[in-house]
Amino acid sequence: GAGVSQSPRYKVAKRGQDVALRCDPISGHVSLFWYQQALGQGPEFLTYFQNEAQLDKSGLPSDRFFAERPEGSVSTLKIQRTQQEDSAVYLCASSRHTRTRTDTQYFGPGTRLTVL
Amino acid sequence: GNSVTQMEGPVTLSEEAFLTINCTYTATGYPSLFWYVQYPGEGLQLLLKATKADDKGSNKGFEATYRKETTSFHLEKGSVQVSDSAVYFCALSDQTGANNLFFGTGTRLTVIP
Repeated sequence: GAGVSQSPRYKVAKRGQDVALRCDPISGHVSLFWYQQALGQGPEFLTYFQNEAQLDKSGLPSDRFFAERPEGSVSTLKIQRTQQEDSAVYLCASSRHTRTRTDTQYFGPGTRLTVL
Repeated sequence: GNSVTQMEGPVTLSEEAFLTINCTYTATGYPSLFWYVQYPGEGLQLLLKATKADDKGSNKGFEATYRKETTSFHLEKGSVQVSDSAVYFCALSDQTGANNLFFGTGTRLTVIP
């Protein structure tokens, strides 16, 4: 499979628990994006990596959200002390090059997080 | 700032009907414009895109034209099929070099035989 994969596909957490969401981008893709999609809404940008460098984290909603991509490939989005408002689908996307206007982003299937 | 407004759904059409999903945008400068589609149980897929004014993106019978004067990027298809049932998202990427995508809220299309 050459697409973007994410795991787990579904995650249920109790309020206050920490969660970790994994993204495997397309091999060789330089750019990696995380988005948050609330129910009935379009995805919203969270953070961006160029290889292992996190160049933009302007969309992270609070300091409970942390992302890493230590070897420039797999990325993990971690949410500490989850709250009910964190319930959403978390999407990962990768693109071949560094950020340019027209480079296509390829999306994974998402992880649906439900916080009880 | 950047924002996308698209036609609210859900939209239900009979097979072979004509489809239009309206999309307008607000952006500084000249963004690139996209339509993404999400089929049931699948991830977002790029359907088509246009990178400058008057460009027409097309794919799988769908078309959209980048209209700078009306800040619009309406999606059209002349004859829809049951297999087109999905959620359609209009999006723009800003021109700050960030290439972050700004999405509309999505329009669910159901095509009935």
